[in-house]
Amino acid sequence: GAVVSQHPSRVICKSGTSVKIECRSLDFQATTMFWYRQFPKQSLMLMATSNEGSKATYEQGVEKDKFLINHASLTLSTLTVTSAHPEDSSFYICSAHSRQSLTEAFFGQGTRLTVV
Amino acid sequence: AQTVTQSQPEMSVQEAETVTLSCTYDTSESNYYLFWYKQPPSRQMILVIRQEAYKQQNATENRFSVNFQKAAKSFSLKISDSQLGDTAMYFCAFDGNMLTFGGGTRLMVKP
Repeated sequence: GAVVSQHPSRVICKSGTSVKIECRSLDFQATTMFWYRQFPKQSLMLMATSNEGSKATYEQGVEKDKFLINHASLTLSTLTVTSAHPEDSSFYICSAHSRQSLTEAFFGQGTRLTVV
Repeated sequence: AQTVTQSQPEMSVQEAETVTLSCTYDTSESNYYLFWYKQPPSRQMILVIRQEAYKQQNATENRFSVNFQKAAKSFSLKISDSQLGDTAMYFCAFDGNMLTFGGGTRLMVKP
């Protein structure tokens, strides 16, 4: 199957700083990427849909200025958590759909963010 | 908006036995896909099985099979000959134009 690489897998940052998480499709072109947030023992909550070459579509309640998403190429989307606070600590997961398999999502390994 | 409900937060099963995880969903769409994903302790999401709504035949992947009842909007997962490696969170997901996940079922396979 297709491979999606997410980096870093773990990051600890100080409150007030920004953190960038990368999501790369390694062997296919991803027309659409999705960013999820997962709290402990809970399901995945969609944060935003990232389309190559256009602005991301954010879900209700997700702050656009706090969670900046850039999808500059067909293989890379980035999520930047700006001015991070402890309540932003969570597990973030990206997924990508390929042109060939629009119905199947391929997931990154996830990023555990801890803001101290 | 679509909703996906998994009514069993936790389940356990003895190794080698069979277990069924429940999932119901609500949608007004007629063409869609349903998925079961597994999330082991590593937290990597792994596709277990996929069902296309227009297909009446239930999908099967080795020890994993589904019971898809379109009229009842039910999509249960049966795991046969459970193995210790099946211990994980299992998420049912609906795909209309984006994935909507259920709340998950934590499955523990006991030796």
